[in-house]
Amino acid sequence: EVQLVESGGGLVQPGGSLRLSCAASGFTVSSNYMSWVRQAPGKGLEWVSVIYSGGSTYYADSVKGRFTISRDNSKNTLYLQMNSLRAEDTAVYYCAPYYYGSGSYSPWGQGTLVTVSS
Amino acid sequence: NFMLTQPHSVSESPGKTVTISCTGSSGSIASNYVQWYQQRPGSAPTTVIYEDNQRPSGVPDRFSGSIDSSSNSASLTISGLKTEDEADYYCQSYDSSNRGVFGGGTKLTVL
Repeated sequence: EVQLVESGGGLVQPGGSLRLSCAASGFTVSSNYMSWVRQAPGKGLEWVSVIYSGGSTYYADSVKGRFTISRDNSKNTLYLQMNSLRAEDTAVYYCAPYYYGSGSYSPWGQGTLVTVSS
Repeated sequence: NFMLTQPHSVSESPGKTVTISCTGSSGSIASNYVQWYQQRPGSAPTTVIYEDNQRPSGVPDRFSGSIDSSSNSASLTISGLKTEDEADYYCQSYDSSNRGVFGGGTKLTVL
């Protein structure tokens, strides 16, 4: 079964850091374009970042310079390093698909909650 | 900045057909793939349509996606509506810098 499982969320103070992980099974992270999407409480979906199979990365303006997307091929895991966190970063963060024309389906993770508050 | 606009809400009766639109703000919506995601309350989103009109295994063929270049819009059509289809639906595509863009979401009520 293809599955993505996020972890690493929690409560952090403004200005703090957190690293989210997305562990894949039945699915090869390095062979796919992988992204992070977030959803603030009661709000819609917001795209955050993507890493291509070739390693190129792109970020939303709201997180550029503060967040870094990466992966560990040996662990088949996607990461999101979040620094200089702000209250407005509070959201559920999902490991999400990025469809680019491969014709292949990719799953969503179940999400991990990040709360930025003092 | 490229934006996608969806109706805030739509409603229809069981057994009927509903279409949810997603209009691009600029450029050609046909230039990049459009996806549709379903999100039920308290759950993670799931993909119902990807790459304009591809349906994942397990998604009923009652769900279909299309692109209309003349109106610069994409549409999700759900036929034979069931109460279980009640959810929020989001369209998603990309801007010219390869960044993802989501529509604001449409709440579908089946009553």
